[in-house]
Amino acid sequence: DSGVTQTPKHLITATGQRVTLRCSPRSGDLSVYWYQQSLDQGLQFLIQYYNGEERAKGNILERFSAQQFPDLHSELNLSSLELGDSALYFCASSPVRGAGGEAFFGQGTRLTVV
Amino acid sequence: GENVEQHPSTLSVQEGDSAVIKCTYSDSASNYFPWYKQELGKRPQLIIDIRSNVGEKKDQRIAVTLNKTAKHFSLHITETQPEDSAVYFCAASIGRDFGNEKLTFGTGTRLTIIP
Repeated sequence: DSGVTQTPKHLITATGQRVTLRCSPRSGDLSVYWYQQSLDQGLQFLIQYYNGEERAKGNILERFSAQQFPDLHSELNLSSLELGDSALYFCASSPVRGAGGEAFFGQGTRLTVV
Repeated sequence: GENVEQHPSTLSVQEGDSAVIKCTYSDSASNYFPWYKQELGKRPQLIIDIRSNVGEKKDQRIAVTLNKTAKHFSLHITETQPEDSAVYFCAASIGRDFGNEKLTFGTGTRLTIIP
């Protein structure tokens, strides 16, 4: 168990709908990252938050948005869903540490758009 | 932004032989280079990492080398075992006071160990 909790584990929804994925980082970790992993694909970096503020942005679609709350949990909102958005969405968190450090991944949320 | 390229995409190795996976990165500011292993249907997990002030790091059968000048780093697995079969991802990030920034992953290498 990495200490990072993602809910729900599975989500099936229809095209055009909106969903919210939730991530609770490890206790004390201020940085949260979101990644998208399509079937047999790599980990596409979406967005990073640090202590409530957006820190870095990757290839995140305009239909997607995220935020980190004062209690440090984060939510990824996906709207106007398309079939191509079906993927495994991972959240990761890392502690405050100079020169980088291990990012701990949650178990992921598998999103299926039908 | 950072771009990390990883080769090969698939690798089959006889049990007991060595496996080598190579990555290159584009952002010279990157100073932290982790390697993650992902088994089927599971989350990625860190297996080894290296910082830019070190050229090589070893942990039992696993080693990582870094060439900052050439902007490439490699994962070496010796005496491979069936449980080493998985997808391996390299990554690069800029380490800041608050941790990682722009933690960017390569496209992955599917390693298969042939018994």
